[in-house]
Amino acid sequence: GAGVSQTPSNKVTEKGKYVELRCDPISGHTALYWYRQSLGQGPEFLIYFQGTGAADDSGLPNDRFFAVRPEGSVSTLKIQRTERGDSAVYLCASSSGPAREQYFGPGTRLTVT
Amino acid sequence: EDQVTQSPEALRLQEGESSSLNCSYTVSGLRGLFWYRQDPGKGPEFLFTLYSAGEEKEKERLKATLTKKESFLHITAPKPEDSATYLCAVSKTSYDKVIFGPGTSLSVIP
Repeated sequence: GAGVSQTPSNKVTEKGKYVELRCDPISGHTALYWYRQSLGQGPEFLIYFQGTGAADDSGLPNDRFFAVRPEGSVSTLKIQRTERGDSAVYLCASSSGPAREQYFGPGTRLTVT
Repeated sequence: EDQVTQSPEALRLQEGESSSLNCSYTVSGLRGLFWYRQDPGKGPEFLFTLYSAGEEKEKERLKATLTKKESFLHITAPKPEDSATYLCAVSKTSYDKVIFGPGTSLSVIP
């Protein structure tokens, strides 16, 4: 009974570089969420997938951020031209549907130097 | 604007000293209110879902209640292992995203 996994657990990159963050949800969960969490704050919604499609991407801060879920399971969050302000913990969660409890991964800590 | 606030920001209790955490929301068309616990360096862990005013849920020393404007997480006779950040989140009927509050950091001192 594996939970949600995220890789890498830590990522340090230089300003301007491209990064990919991966999320493996719980098997069978159709809903997948990406959040960003800064120190001392609650998770900030980025994007929600229902199946393969992005049902709500209103939280993506700008066009440098993009996420995919091509087969309705694994998802990848992609950040282009990283900036120091992108440094945060990126959390992924899956659930059996919208408005249901979410199960979170351990997060990826992104540091942009 | 849809908003979730939590108070207090931080709470320090003696072991066995009961208290309550507050979550206030301004969301029209609430679909569900969630409570999560987050330990340092980990992702949030689901505790409760509440769907309608008057609903209550209990789990060990925790009890969550819901009104039309706020939710309370009551902690009875807390233990040091209850120390964590408690997050409140809401979803609404017109969209699927979930809005989290800033959390309450709870410390229970032996």
